[in-house]
Amino acid sequence: NAGVMQNPRHLVRRRGQEARLRCSPMKGHSHVYWYRQLPEEGLKFMVYLQKENIIDESGMPKERFSAEFPKEGPSILRIQQVVRGDSAAYFCASSPLGGQRTDTQYFGPGTRLTVL
Amino acid sequence: AQSVTQPDIHITVSEGASLELRCNYSYGATPYLFWYVQSPGQGLQLLLKYFSGDTLVQGIKGFEAEFKRSQSSFNLRKPSVHWSDAAEYFCAVGSNQGGKLIFGQGTELSVKP
Repeated sequence: NAGVMQNPRHLVRRRGQEARLRCSPMKGHSHVYWYRQLPEEGLKFMVYLQKENIIDESGMPKERFSAEFPKEGPSILRIQQVVRGDSAAYFCASSPLGGQRTDTQYFGPGTRLTVL
Repeated sequence: AQSVTQPDIHITVSEGASLELRCNYSYGATPYLFWYVQSPGQGLQLLLKYFSGDTLVQGIKGFEAEFKRSQSSFNLRKPSVHWSDAAEYFCAVGSNQGGKLIFGQGTELSVKP
């Protein structure tokens, strides 16, 4: 059973470009969480999605960031017009239950975004 | 507000020595607590979790953690550290808002030969 998959593992963008980060949850999991880890910091929640629905986006920056989890295919975290402050590691986690404190979330290897 | 504090940013221990990593939480109700480990350049791996019941929780790789409600703590322990344990360790609490995790800032563990 494959774990959570993220691609690309490393992404370099110039300021003003768009970044697309993909996450394929574990088989049988329909709940996806995105977290961001800035240098020297812990992980911060960004958004929680179920298939075709955004459940909680309270941690998403108001501008330039969006996320989706279509019926078919991976979840996508999209960052438009990237700035240097977006440089971070972005982690995706999936869970089988979703929305509950007792959830166990399984993390992918992360995408390390560098903005030049 | 829900929060997690890991007071130690960096800890160095000798191989074979015992280890305790501290975690304090702030949460109004019964907390659901997790410890994750992150090796350099890797994702997070779940070490153990506490939901209810026995306050001493056993995890993988020889780790254990003890939940102490009176001290709002969930410290991680290992009796004998191996060089391969060098990594960053994160404590987290499950939020009552949608199940997201609230993480501490992490403790980086170095192991001396």
